[in-house]
Amino acid sequence: SDELTQATSVSVSPGQTARISCSGTTLASQYAYWYQHKSGQAPVLVIYKDSERPSGIPERFSGTSSGTTVTLTISGVQAEDEADYYCQSGDKNSPQKVFGGGTKLTVL
Amino acid sequence: QVQLIESGPGLVKTSQTLSLTCSVSGDSIKTSTYYWTWIRQHPGKGLEWIGYIYSSGDTYYNPSLKSRLAMSVDTSKNQFSLNLSSLTAADTAVYYCARGVGPTMELHWFDPWGQGTLVSVSS
Repeated sequence: SDELTQATSVSVSPGQTARISCSGTTLASQYAYWYQHKSGQAPVLVIYKDSERPSGIPERFSGTSSGTTVTLTISGVQAEDEADYYCQSGDKNSPQKVFGGGTKLTVL
Repeated sequence: QVQLIESGPGLVKTSQTLSLTCSVSGDSIKTSTYYWTWIRQHPGKGLEWIGYIYSSGDTYYNPSLKSRLAMSVDTSKNQFSLNLSSLTAADTAVYYCARGVGPTMELHWFDPWGQGTLVSVSS
């Protein structure tokens, strides 16, 4: 299965826009999914199928895809958004799933 | 509201077999069409997909773990389980269970997840 690469960390001030990217060759043909993970809590799905937002997820979370890179954008970042964010995708030839290494979002 | 809760031993010995259970509430494993999944996170590392079991009992495992892995479903208790044998320190991780949602085994994502259970492997 392919690998997904994410930056280790991103820092933004409250109210700014955070962009977290994920790259990998599988993203050219497979959807991406994004999970928010706060320490000690269950990871939460925030974006599915590149850009769809589950019910209950604030509108400030959005996703885009271009070629082999997908981006999670958090507009108007709030302190509560501080967390680790993981991208995930699949393999077109098997049910195997792959995760990125995670990006720690720090709200300054 | 669907909830998943992992349970199992926090400490296991090297070479032994790890048994974990995920209890599901708010949904029926027997009648649903989801991919009941295990995922783990090594200390300070990212997430690793372990595998899934479908409500029919069909399974698919991470090739790197396949030789040591077995999953099962107990529909009477609405639980699914993971058995991982021949443990080493490299199996020390937080283990999560999750519901795989999507139309096919190639196309699904995870929602919701359990909070995870820490498993330490030591001699």
